[in-house]
Amino acid sequence: DSGVTQTPKHLITATGQRVTLRCSPRSGDLSVYWYQQSLDQGLQFLIQYYNGEERAKGNILERFSAQQFPDLHSELNLSSLELGDSALYFCASSAGPAPTFGSGTRLTVV
Amino acid sequence: AQSVTQLGSHVSVSEGALVLLRCNYSSSVPPYLFWYVQYPNQGLQLLLKYTTGATLVKGINGFEAEFKKSETSFHLTKPSAHMSDAAEYFCAVSLASGANSKLTFGKGITLSVRP
Repeated sequence: DSGVTQTPKHLITATGQRVTLRCSPRSGDLSVYWYQQSLDQGLQFLIQYYNGEERAKGNILERFSAQQFPDLHSELNLSSLELGDSALYFCASSAGPAPTFGSGTRLTVV
Repeated sequence: AQSVTQLGSHVSVSEGALVLLRCNYSSSVPPYLFWYVQYPNQGLQLLLKYTTGATLVKGINGFEAEFKKSETSFHLTKPSAHMSDAAEYFCAVSLASGANSKLTFGKGITLSVRP
């Protein structure tokens, strides 16, 4: 157990729908990162939050959004889902240079 | 912008043989470098990292990597492969320190270990 908790582990939904992925960081970590892993694109950085504020943005689509709450947990919202959004979504947290990853949420869009 | 190149997508070795997984990076400033391992249906686990100081870094499970600035490389090695080493390995680079460690990953290398 890495200490980073992601829920749900699996999600199957239809095109056009909206889903929310949840992440609880390791105790004491203020930074949360979201990554997308797909066969086509590999591991892509989406977005980072630090203590509730957006800190860095990567290849995140406009249909996707995230936030970090006062208790430091984070949510990634994916809307108007397309088949191509099917992927493994990882959350990671850090207090230093090496982020610790959760086990991921596997999203399947049908 | 930084980038990571991992040549080849698959490496196969015999049990007990040397493991060598190559990683080259591009960075305009001194980088932080990482190797992560991903076992099937699991998240990424940190094997080792280079931030500053000694260029030869040792990680978990007998792995080590050497930062060579002149070659812009950070190759991962293990003297003797074990069946349990079969997994996907990712090299990553970041430019930041502290809690702002946005990682840029290579495409990953799948390591197979033959009995």
